[in-house]
Amino acid sequence: QVTLRESGPALVKPTQTLTLTCTFSGFSLSTSGMSVAWIRQPPGKALEWLALIDWDGDSYYTTSLQTRVTISRDTSKNQVVLTMTNVDPVDTATYWCARIVGTPWDYGMDVWGLGTTVTVSS
Amino acid sequence: SYELTQPPSVSVSPGQTANITCSGDKLENKYTSWYQQKPGQSPVLVVYQDRKRPSGIPDRFSGSNSGNTATLTISETQAMDDAAYYCLTWDNSAGVFGGGTKLTVL
Repeated sequence: QVTLRESGPALVKPTQTLTLTCTFSGFSLSTSGMSVAWIRQPPGKALEWLALIDWDGDSYYTTSLQTRVTISRDTSKNQVVLTMTNVDPVDTATYWCARIVGTPWDYGMDVWGLGTTVTVSS
Repeated sequence: SYELTQPPSVSVSPGQTANITCSGDKLENKYTSWYQQKPGQSPVLVVYQDRKRPSGIPDRFSGSNSGNTATLTISETQAMDDAAYYCLTWDNSAGVFGGGTKLTVL
């Protein structure tokens, strides 16, 4: 059974760095064709794709946030970490991680975590 | 940057067919996937590679992609299909979501 679980602080102050961890089971990110992506959704708004890391360790970012966001992996711990610097209240959102099997731009995100809610406020 | 445009809302009567569109420049040259999201829940993949269904998704859900428009079609719509639907494609190795469409079954 494939599961993903997001964890991190519920409250972060403006200008701080946000670190979110995705802990997964049921697959290995070292296996060819596997990827993990991060997606977020501000309250009442649309989904926004943030970043992806694949089985080769290659990472990809949405253009609007690529100067503030870093995605990394620890294959021994089955974890993917998203770091976002200099957060602002507009970064308040529910954050999800999700799995992709196959070439990312050919396939969909087939398993999602439950999400973690992050509020940016002083 | 690449943009996908969806109608904010679509209404359909139970048992009828709902069509939700997603428009983007030369979208037919890219694969599109579709996600269903109910309030307070994580999104669920319902269609990938334009027209394929993951296991467990009813065959009432189908997709197509031609020209600048991808379409999610839900046949014999049921009350449980009442949800928001998002399209996703990829541009320059980054994912792009549409703005979402609220499907109301009434």
